[in-house]
Amino acid sequence: GAVVSQHPSWVICKSGTSVKIECRSLDFQATTMFWYRQFPKQSLMLMATSNEGSKATYEQGVEKDKFLINHASLTLSTLTVTSAHPEDSSFYICSASQTGVGNQPQHFGDGTRLSIL
Amino acid sequence: LAKTTQPISMDSYEGQEVNITCSHNNIATNDYITWYQQFPSQGPRFIIQGYKTKVTNEVASLFIPADRKSSTLSLPRVSLSDTAVYYCLVAQGNTGKLIFGQGTTLQVKP
Repeated sequence: GAVVSQHPSWVICKSGTSVKIECRSLDFQATTMFWYRQFPKQSLMLMATSNEGSKATYEQGVEKDKFLINHASLTLSTLTVTSAHPEDSSFYICSASQTGVGNQPQHFGDGTRLSIL
Repeated sequence: LAKTTQPISMDSYEGQEVNITCSHNNIATNDYITWYQQFPSQGPRFIIQGYKTKVTNEVASLFIPADRKSSTLSLPRVSLSDTAVYYCLVAQGNTGKLIFGQGTTLQVKP
């Protein structure tokens, strides 16, 4: 149980392109989804928190116009990297929580490797 | 959010018990202690979560003292496939937010 699927798992695109990443909870409804990015040999960095039906809350230093998050249903959240540049190349990981509170663990997808040429 | 401190790396041998201790001095009353495992190029995998005392599941045990300022993850008999990065995290009670530290890289040797 508690399976989270991310798609695509790997994408390469040209600079200036916008890229959409999907995060789906397959066997549970996710009130809250989280988006992280991870650079090589580093830890995960929380980018934003997304609650179904409301605007995402971004962490300090994360550009909301650059990283568009939509959480239109209890099983799907999307992250769109707009006008991507090489410095946006990273490993993007989503997680989902049934309740969005601390006593319920987050379940993570397997990440999306984004490479911008 | 409470920050966590854990050893950067640990070595062990197959079949041994591994204990990884984490400190979280600023943990709040509503926060939960959660541990994850991450393999390269994969998302973190949930191991165990607890609030106080001891929690055990099929893969690990979590020991939390009364003051909750630290916790210890115990992996009973490790195998080579347990080589991974282990993250100790404090989940904020009312938002579920996790702030990842550097984690502990566990290397299991034959």
